[in-house]
Amino acid sequence: DAGITQSPRHKVTETGTPVTLRCHQTENHRYMYWYRQDPGHGLRLIHYSYGVKDTDKGEVSDGYSVSRSKTEDFLLTLESATSSQTSVYFCAISARAGYDEKLFFGSGTQLSVL
Amino acid sequence: DAKTTQPNSMESNEEEPVHLPCNHSTISGTDYIHWYRQLPSQGPEYVIHGLTSNVNNRMASLAIAEDRKSSTLILHRATLRDAAVYYCILSLLRTGGFKTIFGAGTRLFVKA
Repeated sequence: DAGITQSPRHKVTETGTPVTLRCHQTENHRYMYWYRQDPGHGLRLIHYSYGVKDTDKGEVSDGYSVSRSKTEDFLLTLESATSSQTSVYFCAISARAGYDEKLFFGSGTQLSVL
Repeated sequence: DAKTTQPNSMESNEEEPVHLPCNHSTISGTDYIHWYRQLPSQGPEYVIHGLTSNVNNRMASLAIAEDRKSSTLILHRATLRDAAVYYCILSLLRTGGFKTIFGAGTRLFVKA
């Protein structure tokens, strides 16, 4: 299995509070991604990173920010959590750009915003 | 906009081949077709991907129609461990960045 660790695995928080999810990889892969998974929507890309301090928006980036200060860590922050951000969040990594490359996914973080 | 369409569920007998279809009639010329599968409480697992030609690996085969508007994931001999949700995905590089279009997935049931 690819060395991807997501933390926390489960999080319950209240509306309006900031939340940070962490993705840590031991594969030294250049690309890292954050997805959310909701019933009926499959997975949707939030943000991705193509190197240290290089990030770009995905399809559902509103309300989320990311940071990547080291190759191995990619952080997803919800500045002020809303109930619509209740979801399962998956981190993924790839050695090259993901459109022609396999992605390796973490085990996910279940986030509940009450 | 690009999208994929898959049947909600399919059933197969163990040790028989399984053909999982995907329609992506709005695909563009540089969009890659990926397949992933997901077991309960786990992240998606890569199965296979391709652009125009059929592809084979140790897990499965991917048959891509000549017009690229549809594709089929082929599991040559289904096992109980293949029971999962299979996602057909378009992977796009557009102005403004990289996008992935996930379908709703096909839940595969495998009977012993």
